[in-house]
Amino acid sequence: AQSVTQLDSHVSVSEGTPVLLRCNYSSSYSPSLFWYVQHPNKGLQLLLKYTSAATLVKGINGFEAEFKKSETSFHLTKPSAHMSDAAEYFCVVSGLNSGGYQKVTFGTGTKLQVIP
Amino acid sequence: DGGITQSPKYLFRKEGQNVTLSCEQNLNHDAMYWYRQDPGQGLRLIYYSQIVNDFQKGDIAEGYSVSREKKESFPLTVTSAQKNPTAFYLCASSIGQGLASTDTQYFGPGTRLTVL
Repeated sequence: AQSVTQLDSHVSVSEGTPVLLRCNYSSSYSPSLFWYVQHPNKGLQLLLKYTSAATLVKGINGFEAEFKKSETSFHLTKPSAHMSDAAEYFCVVSGLNSGGYQKVTFGTGTKLQVIP
Repeated sequence: DGGITQSPKYLFRKEGQNVTLSCEQNLNHDAMYWYRQDPGQGLRLIYYSQIVNDFQKGDIAEGYSVSREKKESFPLTVTSAQKNPTAFYLCASSIGQGLASTDTQYFGPGTRLTVL
């Protein structure tokens, strides 16, 4: 079984300050983990993914995430928020089901507000 | 310009009518997926297809149907049996046949369906 928990439904930061979006996961296997971003009424865009290589993963638009197995976490960070970062962010865990096929579970999302 | 297209962007239908949402991809991906997104619930899997002429039910398939007659196309029909069809529908595809947890899903822009 697998699950993913995004610990904050809303996060508000001032422009130019750091961003931290928290994600914890549970998985019976060594999972792959993803972060996606969604702007209003748009599809999801991949920010970054972890697939058992380097634990610190760099993505697009200055975002990065660190895989911490001991803490079962995959938090998303950015050193300095930009107004264009205001969006909803989804943490995703991916494993294999009992039939050997990919099973993807989405978190419930974190809405990031950036205050000018 | 490769990608996933969904049409229409907005769709309005009267209660009791069936409606078909289009999803086309020119990425030459094997697997395609349909998700439903409701506020605060993340994405839930409706149907998926790993290869042409084959598809499987996801977590919330009741009231929906799909077909996969061509590799690039995966239309979703929302039938009158779907109790609460108003939602944002997202189509996705991935390069593999869903056999690896590392496969990335790429998303279309979505269709917002409103049933009046």
